[in-house]
Amino acid sequence: GAVVSQHPSWVICKSGTSVKIECRSLDFQATTMFWYRQFPKQSLMLMATSNEGSKATYEQGVEKDKFLINHASLTLSTLTVTSAHPEDSSFYICSARRPTLSYNEQFFGPGTRLTVL
Amino acid sequence: KNQVEQSPQSLIILEGKNCTLQCNYTVSPFSNLRWYKQDTGRGPVSLTIMTFSENTKSNGRYTATLDADTKQSSLHITASQLSDSASYICVVVHFGNEKLTFGTGTRLTIIP
Repeated sequence: GAVVSQHPSWVICKSGTSVKIECRSLDFQATTMFWYRQFPKQSLMLMATSNEGSKATYEQGVEKDKFLINHASLTLSTLTVTSAHPEDSSFYICSARRPTLSYNEQFFGPGTRLTVL
Repeated sequence: KNQVEQSPQSLIILEGKNCTLQCNYTVSPFSNLRWYKQDTGRGPVSLTIMTFSENTKSNGRYTATLDADTKQSSLHITASQLSDSASYICVVVHFGNEKLTFGTGTRLTIIP
C-alpha cells in the first residue's frame, strides 16, 4: 500500500504555544488530504479536508482559526494547532486520498500524539 | 442519520482461535465498505475494501463479507496470532460526497 508519514510522532508543549504537524504522502501525489482527531477509546473524528492550492474545508464545530491547515504541495499538508490548551491533547491522524479505478482510497499516517501541559 | 455500529465492543480470545466481528450500517447511498486494523498509538491500516457488488474478500487470514441488502458486514479472523491484538474499525463510504463514516471499533485481545 501507499505510504503516508507524519512528523512529529509525538509532541509535548506548554499551554499557549503553537504546534505544527506535517503529513506527507511519500509515493504518490495527493490533491486531497484529511485531518482527524481521536480521543482515547473513541473512533476517528474528521476535522477538516485539505485541498492542494485552496482553503481547507472544516467540519462543523472545528475552529478554523485554531486549527490552521496548509496544503502547499501535492505531497505535504500541515496542521498547526494555535494557542494550544490541555483540551487539545489528542491523537491527530492525517490521511491522503489516492484515486483508483473504482473508488478513492485513503491511506492513513501513523498519527501524532499531542500533549499540552 | 448515517451510522456504523460494530459488535462486540471488545473481545478476548485464545491464540490460534478464530473470531468474527460484526458491522451494521445505515449509510446511504453506499459506495464501499472498509475494514481497518489500528494498533494502539498508530494510524489505521487497510485490511479490505468492498464495493456494492462484492460479497466476500480475503486478505491472508482476514476474510470480510458484505450483505448490501441487509447492510451488514463481518470480518473473520482465522488462526489468530498475538499480533492480531488491535482495534478493528469498520468504515462505510457515502456514494457521492465520499464521506467516511467510522464505526466505534472492536477491541480484540489475543492471549497466549
